[in-house]
Amino acid sequence: SQQGEEDPQALSIQEGENATMNCSYKTSINNLQWYRQNSGRGLVHLILIRSNEREKHSGRLRVTLDTSKKSSSLLITASRAADTASYFCGAAGNKLTFGGGTRVLVKP
Amino acid sequence: DTEVTQTPKHLVMGMTNKKSLKCEQHMGHRAMYWYKQKAKKPPELMFVYSYEKLSINESVPSRFSPECPNSSLLNLHLHALQPEDSALYLCASSQDLADRVGLFFGSGTQLSVL
Repeated sequence: SQQGEEDPQALSIQEGENATMNCSYKTSINNLQWYRQNSGRGLVHLILIRSNEREKHSGRLRVTLDTSKKSSSLLITASRAADTASYFCGAAGNKLTFGGGTRVLVKP
Repeated sequence: DTEVTQTPKHLVMGMTNKKSLKCEQHMGHRAMYWYKQKAKKPPELMFVYSYEKLSINESVPSRFSPECPNSSLLNLHLHALQPEDSALYLCASSQDLADRVGLFFGSGTQLSVL
């Protein structure tokens, strides 16, 4: 069964704007991972944040984790058309299970 | 080589056929996974292998039979599938189990069951 939900389900922004998506999960975790998927192909690992971390940065990505609320957010700054994809959070306890995903459209 | 290679990319099979999906990685990863993904849905975990032993089976029907012949290869044998089994099947690998590290995914096999 799905670990949780992502919000929003879809997001449309202009190139250069920031994109923020949220993820909630249900059980205790060791880490929370974010992935990108283009056009129904394989997922690409973006960033992993451990349960004892609150914020992590990687390039234009910023991830936060609030274990008390069982939630995480992914911020993509200065978005590009190439960022158009579906984004999934994965909650890693004894296994990795994914939230529903956010479809992001970045318009040139 | 940082790739997970899946073959075939597309597969059409009848409900009485037997077919196999193959997955290969040469990154020295010791954990390998099968996920199933329906259109516009998140991937759902099917099986996890750790050090060539099956460690998680998510109550998958027996018409799906995984096999890990060695640390680089993972197969998924298919038999007597149903049309509702049509989906994208994704293989993944990781250096350690997912509770510690991220996964590398292959491009998937798009399966259609007629």
